[in-house]
Amino acid sequence: SYELTQPPSVSVSPGQTARITCSGDALPKQYAYWYQQKPGQAPVLVIYKDSERPSGIPERFSGSSSGTTVTLTISGVQAEDEADYYCQSADSSGTHVVFGGGTKLTVL
Amino acid sequence: QVQLQESGPGLVKPSQTLSLTCTVSGGSISSGSYYWSWIRQPAGKGLEWIGRIYTSGSTNYNPSLKSRVTISVDTSKNQFSLKLSSVTAADTAVYYCARDLGSGGSCCPFDPWGQGTLVTVSS
Repeated sequence: SYELTQPPSVSVSPGQTARITCSGDALPKQYAYWYQQKPGQAPVLVIYKDSERPSGIPERFSGSSSGTTVTLTISGVQAEDEADYYCQSADSSGTHVVFGGGTKLTVL
Repeated sequence: QVQLQESGPGLVKPSQTLSLTCTVSGGSISSGSYYWSWIRQPAGKGLEWIGRIYTSGSTNYNPSLKSRVTISVDTSKNQFSLKLSSVTAADTAVYYCARDLGSGGSCCPFDPWGQGTLVTVSS
């Protein structure tokens, strides 16, 4: 079955830039979406269609795509950004949704 | 705005069927061309998509769960439901429902999500 691959963890100091990658063979054909999840809470959408930012999401969150890899970038990381981040997409047919394994962002 | 709320038993015995309902408020489940999805998350682990239903009743399921999953919709009650049969301890998780804003046969994003409900499989 189709899989999306994320690094298990990323660590950055406050004010630095965090980059979280997500790789999958169908990403050139299917958009990627990114969610932030804090402990005990439901996920919150932070990026849609590879690089679009929903209203209410800070400008420091951005997304990009290159071939089979998409990247979530958080510029000027703040302590409140410490959370788990999940990428989401669909298989090449578009009928099956898949999540990446998640990346724990630690703000040192 | 649209809100989702999961409901159902918090404890299910092994080999039995897990049944959950997601109630949609603030809008009609039939309005718009949306899918409605179920997702689960075992404690300390990642998100797993279970399946989805379109307002027409057509469904897509995670291949790894397909043999045990049934998702249905009741437009008169503005609800959609999940049934997962032959459960084991591995099915213990927080179960979320969500609206899938995808169109044209594709998916995503999921917004909004329900708050999630913990289902424990234990005798």
